[in-house]
Amino acid sequence: DGGITQSPKYLFRKEGQNVTLSCEQNLNHDAMYWYRQDPGQGLRLIYYSQIVNDFQKGDIAEGYSVSREKKESFPLTVTSAQKNPTAFYLCASTSLHGGQPQHFGDGTRLSIL
Amino acid sequence: QQPVQSPQAVILREGEDAVINCSSSKALYSVHWYRQKHGEAPVFLMILLKGGEQKGHEKISASFNEKKQQSSLYLTASQLSYSGTYFCGTTSGSGAGSYQLTFGKGTKLSVIP
Repeated sequence: DGGITQSPKYLFRKEGQNVTLSCEQNLNHDAMYWYRQDPGQGLRLIYYSQIVNDFQKGDIAEGYSVSREKKESFPLTVTSAQKNPTAFYLCASTSLHGGQPQHFGDGTRLSIL
Repeated sequence: QQPVQSPQAVILREGEDAVINCSSSKALYSVHWYRQKHGEAPVFLMILLKGGEQKGHEKISASFNEKKQQSSLYLTASQLSYSGTYFCGTTSGSGAGSYQLTFGKGTKLSVIP
C-alpha cells in the first residue's frame, strides 16, 4: 500500500544535540511538507519542497533544516538552535495536480531529556 | 494569516448535528478539511475549490463561500466516531501558493452517548 512513513515514533533530544526525523513516501508525490503541532496551535509549516534539490522555508523554519536529495525522502533535522523542540512533528505529501489533498504520516513526538 | 475556526469546542449527543466554521482574511483558492484523533495523523475529509468543485467522502458535507472567504463543515446525525479535532486548511492564489496550506487552530468535537 502506498503511504508516508515517519520514523521514529518517539525521539528524545539532549541539550546541544541535533536530531533527524525521517520521512519517506511511495506515493510518487512531488511536494512534501513538515509541520509542527503544539497543543491548541494547529499545524504550523516548517519547510516544504516541490522538487528534488529545492525547498522553501515555512512560517517557523528557525532552528530546523531539511534536504531533498530524492523524491521519496524529506528528512528534517532539529538543530540545537531550536530552543523549544518539544512537539509533535508531522510530514505530509501531495501531488502538484490541482486540488489534491495532503497525505500525512503518523508523526514523530520529540521530547527533551 | 491563520484562518479562524469556530467554535473552539463543541459537545454533542449521538444523533445531533454540528456546524464548524472557517473564516479567512485572505482571498481563498481552496479549503481543506481534516479530522485528527489524539496522537494520530490528520485524516483528509474534504476539499472545496474556488469555482464550486467539491471533492470528499463520508457522510459529511461542506460549503465554500468565496466572496465571504468562509467555509462551513456540516456533520449530521453525529456518531461516536466523529469525535476528534477538526482542522481547516486554506490555500490562497494560484501557482506555488496554491499548494501551501495554512491551518486553523482546530475545533474539538466530542460526541457522547
